[in-house]
Amino acid sequence: DGGITQSPKYLFRKEGQNVTLSCEQNLNHDAMYWYRQDPGQGLRLIYYSQIVNDFQKGDIAEGYSVSREKKESFPLTVTSAQKNPTAFYLCASSMGQGDGYTFGSGTRLTVV
Amino acid sequence: RKEVEQDPGPFNVPEGATVAFNCTYSNSASQSFFWYRQDCRKEPKLLMSVYSSGNEDGRFTAQLNRASQYISLLIRDSKLSDSATYLCVVNSNYQLIWGAGTKLIIKP
Repeated sequence: DGGITQSPKYLFRKEGQNVTLSCEQNLNHDAMYWYRQDPGQGLRLIYYSQIVNDFQKGDIAEGYSVSREKKESFPLTVTSAQKNPTAFYLCASSMGQGDGYTFGSGTRLTVV
Repeated sequence: RKEVEQDPGPFNVPEGATVAFNCTYSNSASQSFFWYRQDCRKEPKLLMSVYSSGNEDGRFTAQLNRASQYISLLIRDSKLSDSATYLCVVNSNYQLIWGAGTKLIIKP
């Protein structure tokens, strides 16, 4: 079955540490996205990529970095520059920009 | 004003009742619209797209009112399993803009 897989499900980060969240899809989707969700707020776009080797900043890109070396993979690194990283991170993909999205099951990141 | 606004709720509704909620959007040039459902601590899942002519999927009906810039979701004969947060999503300039969601609680 095609789908989108995020790992790990839970992640704990120490102050000053970089961590990388994995996102893999086998839906043959061109576009991939990273969102952050905080309680009581809508999803906020961190980065998106419409094609391999190309990506764009979203609304809250500061303190995050991404790569898109393969169509199937879009990892997100949360750097030490992100001052409030505790959140639920969701990766999504779509056939094209603006189409309905398929989401991964998310990663809960907590700073300890 | 937020680009996409929803009443956060919660809407507490008895099982079997009909419930409706709206979502307003600010960009009159928005091209497409969706409703997603999100269960507690889970990822959002596409419930239905919203078409200009309105559309129905079983107990769920979605409507678009471009003149007043809102979309609506109607759930008939509500089930306990309908309890969730419903997210309104608007395609604006080829970016999906997400509402914060409306929480629905169906009570037995």
